[in-house]
Amino acid sequence: DGGITQSPKYLFRKEGQNVTLSCEQNLNHDAMYWYRQDPGQGLRLIYYSQIVNDFQKGDIAEGYSVSREKKESFPLTVTSAQKNPTAFYLCASSPGAGNTIYFGEGSWLTVV
Amino acid sequence: GESVGLHLPTLSVQEGDNSIINCAYSNSASDYFIWYKQESGKGPQFIIDIRSNMDKRQGQRVTVLLNKTVKHLSLQIAATQPGDSAVYFCAENMAGGSYIPTFGRGTSLIVHP
Repeated sequence: DGGITQSPKYLFRKEGQNVTLSCEQNLNHDAMYWYRQDPGQGLRLIYYSQIVNDFQKGDIAEGYSVSREKKESFPLTVTSAQKNPTAFYLCASSPGAGNTIYFGEGSWLTVV
Repeated sequence: GESVGLHLPTLSVQEGDNSIINCAYSNSASDYFIWYKQESGKGPQFIIDIRSNMDKRQGQRVTVLLNKTVKHLSLQIAATQPGDSAVYFCAENMAGGSYIPTFGRGTSLIVHP
């Protein structure tokens, strides 16, 4: 099936640890995105990438890092510098900027 | 920066009623609008989109209306069903270029059987 796959669905992190959320798409989309969603709030852009080996910071990039070594993959690392990482993380992709964005099923990250 | 917002955070309707969810946008340069449905604990799903050269677009049980004069967008759901219960939010975008869309906070639609 074509789509966007995020893993893991649920992840628990101890304070001081880095964790990496995986995002893979087989839609042959050029652009990929990471959003954070907190309860009762809208989507906030963390990072985005419009082409392989290039990415830009979004509105809330501090404490996060990404890489885009392959077109189909855009992993997000939540570093220990992110002070409030507990949230629902959504990966998305689109054929290119300005096109419809399609989302994965999300990953829940909880700090314990 | 410019933003997209929704007028009603929660909308409760009876099964079978028609639902209308509203969205205001402020970027007059936006020319492409999308509605998403997000069920609890899941990722948003694309419902319907509309470009600025149209005032109305219909899908299966859904209609999107665009009023560029007042920068307003609405999603109409006909014969609302319990399975329609979700958060609905709109996104405004500009086709082409490198614009990154912005999303509204969402409206929670609750359908009572």
